[in-house]
Amino acid sequence: DTAVSQTPKYLVTQMGNDKSIKCEQNLGHDTMYWYKQDSKKFLKIMFSYNNKELIINETVPNRFSPKSPDKAHLNLHINSLELGDSAVYFCASSKELAGDYEQYFGPGTRLTVT
Amino acid sequence: AQSVTQLDSHVSVSEGTPVLLRCNYSSSYSPSLFWYVQHPNKGLQLLLKYTSAATLVKGINGFEAEFKKSETSFHLTKPSAHMSDAAEYFCVVTPNTGFQKLVFGTGTRLLVSP
Repeated sequence: DTAVSQTPKYLVTQMGNDKSIKCEQNLGHDTMYWYKQDSKKFLKIMFSYNNKELIINETVPNRFSPKSPDKAHLNLHINSLELGDSAVYFCASSKELAGDYEQYFGPGTRLTVT
Repeated sequence: AQSVTQLDSHVSVSEGTPVLLRCNYSSSYSPSLFWYVQHPNKGLQLLLKYTSAATLVKGINGFEAEFKKSETSFHLTKPSAHMSDAAEYFCVVTPNTGFQKLVFGTGTRLLVSP
């Protein structure tokens, strides 16, 4: 069984469109994250949610809106897509927000904005 | 504030020879340190972590790392490289108390030749 899954795996869209990426974890974890990996492979945290509550928002443009309907899901909605949004987006989860628990990563969603 | 510097963007080794991937960190807090591996077009997988216990940490697939506070280093080593080790490796730091917020290094691509 996949621990952290993301859909879709690939997403190609035009500038100005709105799109969503879905993430689900079946590990029973309390905390979920979104990361962005740019073309140079640099990874940066965007958001973290703990028990459906937003904890970390790393000065991400407000065109990006995470939504957590329950502890097992954290979706990422992006409005008015821009060329610079092209990247690989990774979802991750950990048992708790505090401490040094391992984060489990999904396979990534490659977003291409044309 | 925390940061991680991976000293080499690329490391090339021959199969069967030792691997050394270098990482230096900076942290205002007592840190937890991780090494994650990313195989092509895959998500990230935890190799090993240091969390203020033993300074020599053993991970999966024969990798290990040594935490050296005096040198602020956490270098990753493996005695004998295998072709399947070819991947991108990320050194990561987070405070070991309070909210977990992973800060990634820029990555080191390990190339393994026959």
